[in-house]
Amino acid sequence: DADVTQTPRNRITKTGKRIMLECSQTKGHDRMYWYRQDPGLGLRLIYYSFDVKDINKGEISDGYSVSRQAQAKFSLSLESAIPNQTALYFCATSDVAGGRQETQYFGPGTRLLVL
Amino acid sequence: LAKTTQPISMDSYEGQEVNITCSHNNIATNDYITWYQQFPSQGPRFIIQGYKTKVTNEVASLFIPADRKSSTLSLPRVSLSDTAVYYCLVVDRGSTLGRLYFGRGTQLTVWP
Repeated sequence: DADVTQTPRNRITKTGKRIMLECSQTKGHDRMYWYRQDPGLGLRLIYYSFDVKDINKGEISDGYSVSRQAQAKFSLSLESAIPNQTALYFCATSDVAGGRQETQYFGPGTRLLVL
Repeated sequence: LAKTTQPISMDSYEGQEVNITCSHNNIATNDYITWYQQFPSQGPRFIIQGYKTKVTNEVASLFIPADRKSSTLSLPRVSLSDTAVYYCLVVDRGSTLGRLYFGRGTQLTVWP
């Protein structure tokens, strides 16, 4: 079974609709992240969370919101989707050991198309 | 924040050794050089990480010169399944932030 899962894997929606992308992890990590990937631009950080009560904006948080419902769950919402939010979205988790930032583990991605 | 520069694309044939070089001129003392691999329609996957000299694992080797301003990821005897995008990152493992900054990566294409 995958350690980091994302649902849905693919989604088509219309401009103005609210949608939620969900991420769950079984790795027991405290830290979770949402990234967005556009062709030719690499990955960009949207939001990140270091524990259930911690939410931080990344470099491109406008138009997005997140919810950390539990250690294992981190959801990304688009309150009013627009076409330029069409992208591949990745969730990731990581841990800290001995004060050192450890490897990030990524989910399989959610492909979102906003019409 | 250390910026990395790597080739946009590389081509190779099966069985050859591939070396991808990354420049990180502004690397800081606490930064580790880290490489991720991404296959189409999948999330990035950690390959290897090092601080200085040479690191080797079952997938790749990482060579880092003494000044640490560049690094080379070496993939021995590549196969078609090594076709992927390879990202070079510098990671401050001592930072509480834990953010990763991905650039455009290097698209490696392996031909039969």
